[in-house]
Amino acid sequence: QSALTQPPSASGSPGQSVTISCTGTRGDVGGYDFVSWYQQHPGKAPKLIITEVKKRPSGVPNRFSGSKSGVTASLTVSGLQVDDEATYYCASYAAKNSWVFGGGTKLTVL
Amino acid sequence: QVQLIQSGPEVKKPGASVKVSCEASGYNFGSYVIHWVRQAPGQRLQWMGCINAGNGNTYYSQTFQGRITITMDTSASTVYLELDSLRSEDTAIFYCARDQKILVARLELQYWGQGSLITVSS
Repeated sequence: QSALTQPPSASGSPGQSVTISCTGTRGDVGGYDFVSWYQQHPGKAPKLIITEVKKRPSGVPNRFSGSKSGVTASLTVSGLQVDDEATYYCASYAAKNSWVFGGGTKLTVL
Repeated sequence: QVQLIQSGPEVKKPGASVKVSCEASGYNFGSYVIHWVRQAPGQRLQWMGCINAGNGNTYYSQTFQGRITITMDTSASTVYLELDSLRSEDTAIFYCARDQKILVARLELQYWGQGSLITVSS
């Protein structure tokens, strides 16, 4: 299974918004609304921040939002904070009880 | 509170097998799906497979099919990952993680173990 395609890097200044894309195929992102997003700080386990394309688990700030159009899902981080600097991964159901992660996007807060 | 405690780091030779454990506590073990995720140094997350702790059904990534086995011991609330025919590219942190919803596999991994570093080297 090929990884979902994410840009390797993204950046923004504190207070700004940044959007990270996650492109798959009709066999994964485009075929199911089971896209989730994770935030991973260096040396830490990933943290779940978005489920089912746009739902936020309890405790996740509403600065994080998700969407999907066709085979591309997106994560938007609004009101950037220094602590948002991390690597973000998307993941999608890919049929036949299998899942696939994206390549990861390192977000830098300038 | 929900906790997933994994076994410690190991060093293995190429061709060997490794078995990593993940002991769960703080919730009804049989009600959730546990996944295994691999992360090589500086690399992306890779889904390896999962087990439904309610019925024991397992699902594996094609990437690891043939050399991965996920099992569980309900009496010990523990899930195991066994990976065979290890190669240097398997050097990674292996995480177990619990799905968010009861008895449904969605890769919505709300709780994670601390990770187990497996080093494959001759």
